Amino acid sequence: DTEVTQTPKHLVMGMTNKKSLKCEQHMGHRAMYWYKQKAKKPPELMFVYSYEKLSINESVPSRFSPECPNSSLLNLHLHALQPEDSALYLCASSQEVVLIGEKLFFGSGTQLSVL
Amino acid sequence: ELKVEQNPLFLSMQEGKNYTIYCNYSTTSDRLYWYRQDPGKSLESLFVLLSNGAVKQEGRLMASLDTKARLSTLHITAAVHDLSATYFCAVGWFADDKIIFGKGTRLHILP
Repeated sequence: DTEVTQTPKHLVMGMTNKKSLKCEQHMGHRAMYWYKQKAKKPPELMFVYSYEKLSINESVPSRFSPECPNSSLLNLHLHALQPEDSALYLCASSQEVVLIGEKLFFGSGTQLSVL
Repeated sequence: ELKVEQNPLFLSMQEGKNYTIYCNYSTTSDRLYWYRQDPGKSLESLFVLLSNGAVKQEGRLMASLDTKARLSTLHITAAVHDLSATYFCAVGWFADDKIIFGKGTRLHILP
C-alpha cells in the first residue's frame, strides 16, 4: 500500500461549523504533514508530526488544530474558519529522512470551501 | 530567510522542443524534490536529489542538482502535450522535517 488517503475529498462548511479532515497512511512512515494550497499557488506548510509528536507549527491560527492519534492517522480539526481559509488541504507522509531516496507522498487532498 | 525560487513561472512551448526549469534556494539544503501537479489534482513525486552532482532521469525529464550553486534544473527533452502541468521544486533539511516549495512553473505544451 503506497497511498495516503484523505477524507473527505470535498467539504463545504459555514463559519460557525466544526469539522475534521482525516488522513491515513499504512506505509510505516514516521513523519506526516499538513499543507494548505490556494489556487495556482504552491503548497504552504502548516504542521509536521514526527513520531506522533508535533514538531513544526508554521504559526497557523488556532482555528486549525492538528491531532495525531497514532502513527498511521493525522487529523485536522477545523473550527470558526474564515472564507479566506478556503483552499485545498493536502496531507503527506515520509519515511525516515536518513534513508536514501526518501520521498514525500501526498494524498489527493480535501477541497475546502468556507461560506 | 528560507527562499525557494523557480523560473520561469509560466512556460508555453511547442511539442518537440527542449527546455529547462530552474530552481534556486537560499540556504544549504539536504534534499531537493521535484513534483508535478495537474489541475485539480494532488502532487506527484518525480525526483529526489540528495547530493551534489546528482542527476536523475525518467522519460523525457531529467533533474540535476548543484549544491554549491544552490541550483537544481529540470530539463525537458522533446516535449509532448502530456507533460503539460505545474512543476514544483521543494527543498528540505535533515535538521528538521520542514519542506518548502517554490512557486511552481506552469508548463503548457502546444500540440
